[in-house]
Amino acid sequence: ETGVTQTPRHLVMGMTNKKSLKCEQHLGHNAMYWYKQSAKKPLELMFVYNFKEQTENNSVPSRFSPECPNSSHLFLHLHTLQPEDSALYLCASSQDLQNTEAFFGQGTRLTVV
Amino acid sequence: AQSVSQHNHHVILSEAASLELGCNYSYGGTVNLFWYVQYPGQHLQLLLKYFSGDPLVKGIKGFEAEFIKSKFSFNLRKPSVQWSDTAEYFCAVNARAGGTSYGKLTFGQGTILTVHP
Repeated sequence: ETGVTQTPRHLVMGMTNKKSLKCEQHLGHNAMYWYKQSAKKPLELMFVYNFKEQTENNSVPSRFSPECPNSSHLFLHLHTLQPEDSALYLCASSQDLQNTEAFFGQGTRLTVV
Repeated sequence: AQSVSQHNHHVILSEAASLELGCNYSYGGTVNLFWYVQYPGQHLQLLLKYFSGDPLVKGIKGFEAEFIKSKFSFNLRKPSVQWSDTAEYFCAVNARAGGTSYGKLTFGQGTILTVHP
């Protein structure tokens, strides 16, 4: 256990579906992140939130919509995805943007059909 | 933009062999450096980190890494690997973006280590 919990662990969705990924951290951290891990590609940072405010959007398509209602929770809302969006989506948290040691969840394996 | 390069995609060793995984980054300013490991079926976890101070850092499970600023490198080493070290290893860097804040954590493409008993 890392203190970062992601649900669901696996998700299969059609291209017209709307779904959400959830991340919760119990570490008292103030920064939270979404990463995408695709086969044979480096981890790609998608979004950064610090004290609930989005500080980075790494040119992510609008079909991915993050939400951070508080410092402990982070969501990734998905709609009209493409098959190439199939990947492992990882959530991470760190104390803040000075102490950036990241703690990762186990990820959600997303398959878009 | 900062980038991280890991030299080897797949390294295969026998138990007790010594390990060195290369990591180079491109950024001239102040950086935080990390090595993460992902064991099969498990989450990414931190092996070691460098923020400042002694450039030779020691991590968990006998791993160490040396920050050589002049070479923009942060290579991971272990003198004697075990079968249980079989995993994927990721180098990561983030650079000071302004004030005391650091920007996004950039990962290398990962190195798969396979250790044969």
